Amino acid sequence: GAVVSQHPSRVICKSGTSVKIECRSLDFQATTMFWYRQFPKQSLMLMATSNEGSKATYEQGVEKDKFLINHASLTLSTLTVTSAHPEDSSFYICSARAVGGYATNEKLFFGSGTQLSVL
Amino acid sequence: SQQGEEDPQALSIQEGENATMNCSYKTSINNLQWYRQNSGRGLVHLILIRSNEREKHSGRLRVTLDTSKKSSSLLITASRAADTASYFCATDRTGANSKLTFGKGITLSVRP
Repeated sequence: GAVVSQHPSRVICKSGTSVKIECRSLDFQATTMFWYRQFPKQSLMLMATSNEGSKATYEQGVEKDKFLINHASLTLSTLTVTSAHPEDSSFYICSARAVGGYATNEKLFFGSGTQLSVL
Repeated sequence: SQQGEEDPQALSIQEGENATMNCSYKTSINNLQWYRQNSGRGLVHLILIRSNEREKHSGRLRVTLDTSKKSSSLLITASRAADTASYFCATDRTGANSKLTFGKGITLSVRP
């Protein structure tokens, strides 16, 4: 099946620094990737939809200047948390839809997530 | 408002028993999907059921969909300790390339 690789799996940083999270589709092309945030024992909150070659679409209440998304190729999307603060500490997960080669592109393939801790 | 709402929020059963989880949603959908998440990991797709389908099977999984009641159920038969995880339903309103809306999830614990 399709594999989505997300790195790093865990990052600890100081307040005020920026952190970049990568999401790669390893064996398929993904024109659309999604970024989620998840708090402990909570559901996934969609932050933004990342489209290859165009600007990301952010959900209401998500600061686009705070969470920079770049989808420069059909296999890579990045999320940069700029000037991170303790309240940004969370579990971030990416997902991707496959394009071509699969019977359906309706289901999502997820990365393994990134646990961000801002001190 | 939350599109998918699962119940119960937590379920604890003995290995070998069946686990039934329910999901309700509010708007019309193209399809409904169930995902599994192990602690601290990403989600894994389990099964998809389209709005014109009523029941689907995949191994030990059985999912039903009642569009008149806007509800779905996921049944795991002959549960195993390895089935311990959180389970989420997700609704897709328009089909391919639209975003999924996830419910709050059900925590399933299967005691060995």
